[in-house]
Amino acid sequence: RKEVEQDPGPFNVPEGATVAFNCTYSNSASQSFFWYRQDCRKEPKLLMSVYSSGNEDGRFTAQLNRASQYISLLIRDSKLSDSATYLCVVKPFNAGGTSYGKLTFGQGTILTVHP
Amino acid sequence: DTAVSQTPKYLVTQMGNDKSIKCEQNLGHDTMYWYKQDSKKFLKIMFSYNNKELIINETVPNRFSPKSPDKAHLNLHINSLELGDSAVYFCASSPGTKADTQYFGPGTRLTVL
Repeated sequence: RKEVEQDPGPFNVPEGATVAFNCTYSNSASQSFFWYRQDCRKEPKLLMSVYSSGNEDGRFTAQLNRASQYISLLIRDSKLSDSATYLCVVKPFNAGGTSYGKLTFGQGTILTVHP
Repeated sequence: DTAVSQTPKYLVTQMGNDKSIKCEQNLGHDTMYWYKQDSKKFLKIMFSYNNKELIINETVPNRFSPKSPDKAHLNLHINSLELGDSAVYFCASSPGTKADTQYFGPGTRLTVL
């Protein structure tokens, strides 16, 4: 089983649509959770962290369910500029109790927003 | 102002050659990383250095050797290149190992022929 698994996608949605991405992780001791965004042929960039209580940043809402080891990202009122690959990212603990900064990435979900 | 820079951006070479990729960050960060993104788009960590000390060394062939001359630089040398080494290599940095955000360089697209 992959450490981080995401919806396979791709998602093709019209402008203004609401779209949701899901992600599951296998390490129950994982420490921190994020969504990164990667544009075509560019580097990944942090979109938002994901907190246990859920958090929102403008049109983006992230949820975390530790019991189910499940993370989600909701994008409302999609814009053309939202077209990108969305990467679910987990920061696990290692055996010593620290993660040394290691991030584990899902394979990403491609989103295309069309006019 | 480029925060994390990598050179070269593109690298095309023959099997069996030795090549290096350089990375520099001007953010004053203590921790730097090398990631590999393969053709299936999976990003996997290879190495991490904290204040010039190796702290993460994933299962990577020993043909790959990172070097950190100072905490602002982390270079990656690859010996005896193989076809399977073709990928995009990303350097990243963070303020420390506990910091959540990592800042990625633009990537080096390596093609081995």
